[in-house]
Order: sequence, then C-alpha cells, then structure tokens
Amino acid sequence: DTAVSQTPKYLVTQMGNDKSIKCEQNLGHDTMYWYKQDSKKFLKIMFSYNNKELIINETVPNRFSPKSPDKAHLNLHINSLELGDSAVYFCASGPVNQPQHFGDGTRLSIL
Amino acid sequence: GQQVMQIPQYQHVQEGEDFTTYCNSSTTLSNIQWYKQRPGGHPVFLIQLVKSGEVKKQKRLTFQFGEAKKNSSLHITATQTTDVGTYFCAGPSNTGKLIFGQGTTLQVKP
Repeated sequence: DTAVSQTPKYLVTQMGNDKSIKCEQNLGHDTMYWYKQDSKKFLKIMFSYNNKELIINETVPNRFSPKSPDKAHLNLHINSLELGDSAVYFCASGPVNQPQHFGDGTRLSIL
Repeated sequence: GQQVMQIPQYQHVQEGEDFTTYCNSSTTLSNIQWYKQRPGGHPVFLIQLVKSGEVKKQKRLTFQFGEAKKNSSLHITATQTTDVGTYFCAGPSNTGKLIFGQGTTLQVKP
C-alpha cells in the first residue's frame, strides 16, 4: 500500500494555464505538507495543513492555493503558471517537526 | 532566520571508499533527521537523532549528533553503487517546519 500518493507524476503544460496536483495519505497523520524542489535539489516547504487547517504558509505567490478537504488529502492548485514554476513538487505527511513520509513527486514542466 | 548548512554539495568516490557529509545548524536542534533521495526518486527518511552526542549505525552508515546539538554527520563505510543519491539533513524550526540542508549528492564509480 502506498503511504503518500500524489498525482499526476508528470505535468507538462503551457505558460498561463491552471493546473492541480492531488495528494492522499493513508498513514493517519494529522499534518500534511507541500514542498518545492528546484533544479539544484533544494527542498523548500510551501504549505502545511494540520487537520484541514493551514498552519504554515511560506512566502509563496498567491497563484498557489492549497486545499485540504479532510486530513488525509491535501491538493495544490496553481493559477497562471509561469516558467519559474517548473520544479518537482512533493507532498509529505508526518507529525510536526518529526520524520516525514514523501510522495513520489510531481515533475512540473512549463513550456 | 534559522539555517541548516550541509557540505560538501557533491562528492565523487570510487566504490569501496568512505564518504562523509556534514550538517551544521545556526541554532540548537531538538532533533536531526537524515533522508536519502535516489536519482529520480523522493526523499526517504533514514534516521532521527535526539540526544546530545548520540551515535547510531545502520549497517555501513554511521550517524552522529554533536554535543551542542547544532551539527551532525553521516559517514558511509566502503561505499557501494547502491549508495548513490542525495543525502539531506533536516532540523525542526521553532515555527513548526523542517529546515532541510542543501543536500550532498554522492556519485560512486564502480
């Protein structure tokens, strides 16, 4: 059973489009996260939700909007995609400040 | 703000050689975590150290947490091609988020 699953795995789209990435975890964790990994492999947190409530919101353009319908799901919607949004986006879950389980990642390429 | 620095950024070794990556935090940490990311993969949790001066081993991997709980190291003895990947350390911040080091990418020549 996959612990943290995110879809799609690859996303290739045009600049200006809107896209969504979905994430689900079956580990029973209350807290879920979105990370962005750039081409230099630097991992930076974007958002964190605890039991459907936003607890971390880093300096991220407001084109990025997370949504958590329940504590097992955390989706990421991105409006008006830009070239600089090209990266790998990882969903993760785990208690705050404790080890986290990552999804396989979504490789976003903007044409 | 709080920073976690990791060196070196890249390391190329011959198979069988040892490898070490170092992690330094600007603040005292309640714990330090290590992750491994294989090429094309996702970060996978390896280990967590909590106590000052703690040393833990996983087969050929040895993890240390400094006495001041501000630095840590990961040492791999006799590297194998299966050790290839990027190793990240991560420490908790006082705002509830994990701060990741920049990672050390290990290449092993057979």
